[in-house]
Formats: sequence, C-alpha cells, structure tokens
Amino acid sequence: EAQVTQNPRYLITVTGKKLTVTCSQNMNHEYMSWYRQDPGLGLRQIYYSMNVEVTDKGDVPEGYKVSRKEKRNFPLILESPSPNQTSLYFCASSPRTGKGYGYTFGSGTRLTVV
Amino acid sequence: GQNIDQPTEMTATEGAIVQINCTYQTSGFNGLFWYQQHAGEAPTFLSYNVLDGLEEKGRFSSFLSRSKGYSYLLLKELQMKDSASYLCAFIRDSGGYQKVTFGTGTKLQVIP
Repeated sequence: EAQVTQNPRYLITVTGKKLTVTCSQNMNHEYMSWYRQDPGLGLRQIYYSMNVEVTDKGDVPEGYKVSRKEKRNFPLILESPSPNQTSLYFCASSPRTGKGYGYTFGSGTRLTVV
Repeated sequence: GQNIDQPTEMTATEGAIVQINCTYQTSGFNGLFWYQQHAGEAPTFLSYNVLDGLEEKGRFSSFLSRSKGYSYLLLKELQMKDSASYLCAFIRDSGGYQKVTFGTGTKLQVIP
C-alpha cells in the first residue's frame, strides 16, 4: 500500500531532551516536507526536501533540523525541545514539487513538551 | 506578501449543497489545492486548479478565478461523513522552487 509512515503517533517528552520523529514513504517520491498544525494557525511548513541531500527551510524552521540521506526517509530532529514546540506534526510527500502534485500525508505525530 | 483566507466554520444540512470560499494573495501563483481533514486525521487531497474555471469530481467541484484571487469548493448532496475541515492551499514559485501555503481551514458541520 502506498503510504507515508510517521513514528511515533504520540510522544510526551521533557524540555531539552533530544528527540527524532521518523518519516518514511514507499512511493519513490522526490519531494518531502514537514508541517506543524496548531489551532487557529493552520499547517505551517517547517522544512522541505526536493531530493536526496537537498533540504531547505520552510516558514517556521527554528528549533528543528532535518536530513535526507535516502530518498524514502526524512526524519525531523528536535535537538532541545521546548514547550512552544508542542504541536501536531505531519510529514508529507509528493512525486515532485509543482503543479498538480498533491501531497500524501502521514498520520501525524502529536508531540507534547513539558 | 502572501496571505490566504477562508471562513472558520460553516454548518449545512444533509442532502444540501454548500460552497466554501477561499481568497488568496501571492506573487508567482501556480495553482490552488483543496484538502479534506477529518478530526484527528491527516489531510487528504481533493482537487487542484491552475486555470480559471470549474473542475468537477463526483460530488465535489472546485472553482478558480486567478484575476480575483478567489476559489471555492462546492460540495453537493451532503452526507454526514462530509463533516470535516477543508483546507485551501496555494502553490507559488519561490526562488526556483515551488512552495505551498495553507489556509487555516474551514470546519464544516453537516447536520441531519
């Protein structure tokens, strides 16, 4: 089944403890992206990747890191999480960026930082 | 700058028709998406418009006017399962890449 798999689905952590949220897609998509979703603010892009070893900042990159060493994987790293990073996170992929290529989203990761 | 606006909430009756509007402002516009998101779930792709006009896909249709910076999603023969948030998003050229910006979503409640 074609899908984007995120793990974990739920995570509660403490301030400052490094964590990684994994994202993997099995559709050979070139483009991958991370979003956070907060009430009243909608989906905001954190980082995106055009292909292997090509990443760039989205609209809210502060406090996050990413890497794209393989085409299928795009992990999101929080080196020192803070409470303002409590949010619902989605990974998404598409065949390429551009016209008409809608995203396939992962199931989401609900992160709470205390 | 870029911005995108859609109503926060709407209510409609089962079996009826509802229109969800979206206005946007951006440079380098390259198309508009609509996504459906049920509570607690991931968004799913509904439609994409890049040319002016109406695109029909079963009970759902999407319209775009580029000159007016305006789009709408039309849902016909509403069913209870259509209760969800509907997100519009535009795609724009940005430094040689294509960037997607989402609106905050319209929460649609379908009532019997």
